[in-house]
Amino acid sequence: EDKVVQSPLSLVVHEGDTVTLNCSYEVTNFRSLLWYKQEKKAPTFLFMLTSSGIEKKSGRLSSILDKKELFSILNITATQTGDSAIYLCAGSSGTYKYIFGTGTRLKVLA
Amino acid sequence: SAVISQKPSRDICQRGTSLTIQCQVDSQVTMMFWYRQQPGQSLTLIATANQGSEATYESGFVIDKFPISRPNLTFSTLTVSNMSPEDSSIYLCSVIFWDRGENEQFFGPGTRLTVL
Repeated sequence: EDKVVQSPLSLVVHEGDTVTLNCSYEVTNFRSLLWYKQEKKAPTFLFMLTSSGIEKKSGRLSSILDKKELFSILNITATQTGDSAIYLCAGSSGTYKYIFGTGTRLKVLA
Repeated sequence: SAVISQKPSRDICQRGTSLTIQCQVDSQVTMMFWYRQQPGQSLTLIATANQGSEATYESGFVIDKFPISRPNLTFSTLTVSNMSPEDSSIYLCSVIFWDRGENEQFFGPGTRLTVL
């Protein structure tokens, strides 16, 4: 059965810290891995990763995929209170189905 | 990207009643999806709604409980029927623009449902 596992489940840091969120996956016919930020209800898209070893960056956020070891990490540097959210990763096969992890709840303290 | 709206944004309902959630997209899209996120849980796909055909339901979800309509390429509804407190969740619609060569998934703002 396909599954996506995220760790840690929750994390509390102080502003300015750097955090690394982990996502491991077992997805049949894996095609891509997506990261989302969920603050209230709707997840907002962060990254889509399809190739191993190629880092994607957006401001203080970056992510990379390792298709050999079947995991991805999301890094956030110089964290801010506005980064407090649930971060979701999802793995997709060649179809439209995305398997979501349970998320990492990040809280950044001022 | 896409602009996706959902109505209502939240509702509190009595058990045994039904609620219909609407999802509107600002551009035509072949496939629309309905997800549920129960408290403390991740997103679970309920069904895929294609225009002009019956919705395809995932394991554990049935049409009698979650009937879906897809009358055109920009609109869909999900009904939560005969509700019980276990149906209290956030319900999200989403789209993927396969025909644009994209497979990024975009979500609507969600409907927070509480069943008493």
